[in-house]
Amino acid sequence: GDSVTQMEGPVTLSEEAFLTINCTYTATGYPSLFWYVQYPGEGLQLLLKATKADDKGSNKGFEATYRKETTSFHLEKGSVQVSDSAVYFCALTHGSGNTGKLIFGQGTTLQVKP
Amino acid sequence: NAGVTQTPKFQVLKTGQSMTLQCAQDMNHEYMSWYRQDPGMGLRLIHYSVGAGITDQGEVPNGYNVSRSTTEDFPLRLLSAAPSQTSVYFCASSYTRAGVERGYTFGSGTRLTVV
Repeated sequence: GDSVTQMEGPVTLSEEAFLTINCTYTATGYPSLFWYVQYPGEGLQLLLKATKADDKGSNKGFEATYRKETTSFHLEKGSVQVSDSAVYFCALTHGSGNTGKLIFGQGTTLQVKP
Repeated sequence: NAGVTQTPKFQVLKTGQSMTLQCAQDMNHEYMSWYRQDPGMGLRLIHYSVGAGITDQGEVPNGYNVSRSTTEDFPLRLLSAAPSQTSVYFCASSYTRAGVERGYTFGSGTRLTVV
């Protein structure tokens, strides 16, 4: 079945460091890919998305590129801030014929220290 | 504000009790789903619906029932609560355009403790 694998956390960085959180997936067909962020005590917010191969999603300085050849959707940010401390989830869903379901990775906790 | 509303935010149940977690959205989204979040396991799909009158099981459906009588509402029923159902529950809604998922909106969650 479909699955998403994220790098183990927690990831601890100093402010202004470069961030990469790895995400790889297994799916049939052509899924849409998402990154969600969960701040402490809150629900999930959509951070960015990509709906087809080679698409780049971006938001708030975060970027991720849909790489079909490596089945990956790694999240990057050039300079993290303390306010970026949160749990980040990679997820996928099919773009057609199988909608209504998100498959999540296990989440990666990011801690940014001043 | 438009969005997904979940009630209650917190609930404590005794083993064997039943209850309904409410979820309502006002965005006219056709898709709705329920997830549970447990430490180290991400979010797992319980049940989902692709439209009024249509529901299906997700990854962890046992012990839960759902119905979708209207587009707006998608309640989750715990039939006989067990300690293993202690979790944070999230409801989400989404829609497609031109056959492509346009992203999910999540509610703020219900933290359920079963003692």
